[in-house]
Amino acid sequence: GENVEQHPSTLSVQEGDSAVIKCTYSDSASNYFPWYKQELGKGPQLIIDIRSNVGEKKDQRIAVTLNKTAKHFSLHITETQPEDSAVYFCAASRPGGYQKVTFGTGTKLQVIP
Amino acid sequence: GAVVSQHPSWVICKSGTSVKIECRSLDFQATTMFWYRQFPKQSLMLMATSNEGSKATYEQGVEKDKFLINHASLTLSTLTVTSAHPEDSSFYICSARYREQFFGPGTRLTVL
Repeated sequence: GENVEQHPSTLSVQEGDSAVIKCTYSDSASNYFPWYKQELGKGPQLIIDIRSNVGEKKDQRIAVTLNKTAKHFSLHITETQPEDSAVYFCAASRPGGYQKVTFGTGTKLQVIP
Repeated sequence: GAVVSQHPSWVICKSGTSVKIECRSLDFQATTMFWYRQFPKQSLMLMATSNEGSKATYEQGVEKDKFLINHASLTLSTLTVTSAHPEDSSFYICSARYREQFFGPGTRLTVL
């Protein structure tokens, strides 16, 4: 099955700086890579996603890059704000079927004001 | 759009009792819903996949007789934790698929 590794497990940045979270996946058939933000005591919220036919996607301060050859993808948050503090999960999913999503281990991001 | 709700948001029960958690897709029809379990400071662990009108598919190591899943309609799936024990205490999260997966807010279960 799919295995998704995520680094770092914790990340502290100063407000205004950038944050980068990296993930690798094992299943070359995976073609959908969402990123989720989870605040304490809440369910994960989809913040951005990318499909394998695209190398990069950007939405305001958030961007995701995908390298299919190397099987890794990254989340970039620029101009971080205290409200960006949360746990971020990367995930990978195969096409078709029940589209099970395999989650990474999570990164706790702390933005220091 | 694409809102998923869960009820209750938290529940405390005595050991040996059963607890039912509801997951609803409020503004879309979901042919597939997923149930996850999350321990503190850990990732989400998929428990089972449920499709409307058919039996759920459980992940390896998840007891189907303990975690009963019913997906009676395109907008409702339920998870019943039967004969709950303290080790079942966890954060249970459902998701519903509409192109992408959208997650519910989670249910905190505490078994005394």
